Amino acid sequence: GAGVSQTPSNKVTEKGKYVELRCDPISGHTALYWYRQSLGQGPEFLIYFQGTGAADDSGLPNDRFFAVRPEGSVSTLKIQRTERGDSAVYLCASIPGQANTEAFFGQGTRLTVV
Amino acid sequence: AQSVAQPEDQVNVAEGNPLTVKCTYSVSGNPYLFWYVQYPNRGLQFLLKYITGDNLVKGSYGFEAEFNKSQTSFHLKKPSALVSDSALYFCAVRPLNTDKLIFGTGTRLQVFP
Repeated sequence: GAGVSQTPSNKVTEKGKYVELRCDPISGHTALYWYRQSLGQGPEFLIYFQGTGAADDSGLPNDRFFAVRPEGSVSTLKIQRTERGDSAVYLCASIPGQANTEAFFGQGTRLTVV
Repeated sequence: AQSVAQPEDQVNVAEGNPLTVKCTYSVSGNPYLFWYVQYPNRGLQFLLKYITGDNLVKGSYGFEAEFNKSQTSFHLKKPSALVSDSALYFCAVRPLNTDKLIFGTGTRLQVFP
């Protein structure tokens, strides 16, 4: 596929459990973003990768959240000890690498913590 | 703090009438500016961007936006609204000193037949 792919599309988990959310960016895109969107809100920045390294992780809310991109392509957002407040749509986006280009977003993963 | 403001939660307009969705920003320097649209149960779709040059930029689906440096605004416009334009619209800025894309809270556009 030509777009950004996120799996799963929906995830329901129990409070306290660990979850992983996956993002497959557009092939060749060097930069990858994670955002979180709560109901009625705009996307909130979490972390940004340039290649394999996290260039800016200032948006991660606490140390329960962690993201990796080991080969500079697929990224995984990991949430430990989930809380009900983590429920949101998690969005992934990729860009070719130049700052003046637009970001291409995936459909998102809707995470519900019960 | 760097931020983006979309002062209207919802904009209602009759089909065929012009529409404006407002966006102002507070960042240092001259940022890159973007508009995205989100339809129900779908991801964010890029509409248009301002990088440099002409203050009026044209984008997808007949939308355009005007960059006003003195007012730090980037309002989205369309001369004639369609019912199918009804969606959630987000303004976003990328300051020159960061690669972070900062979004506004969104404006729901409702076009009535």
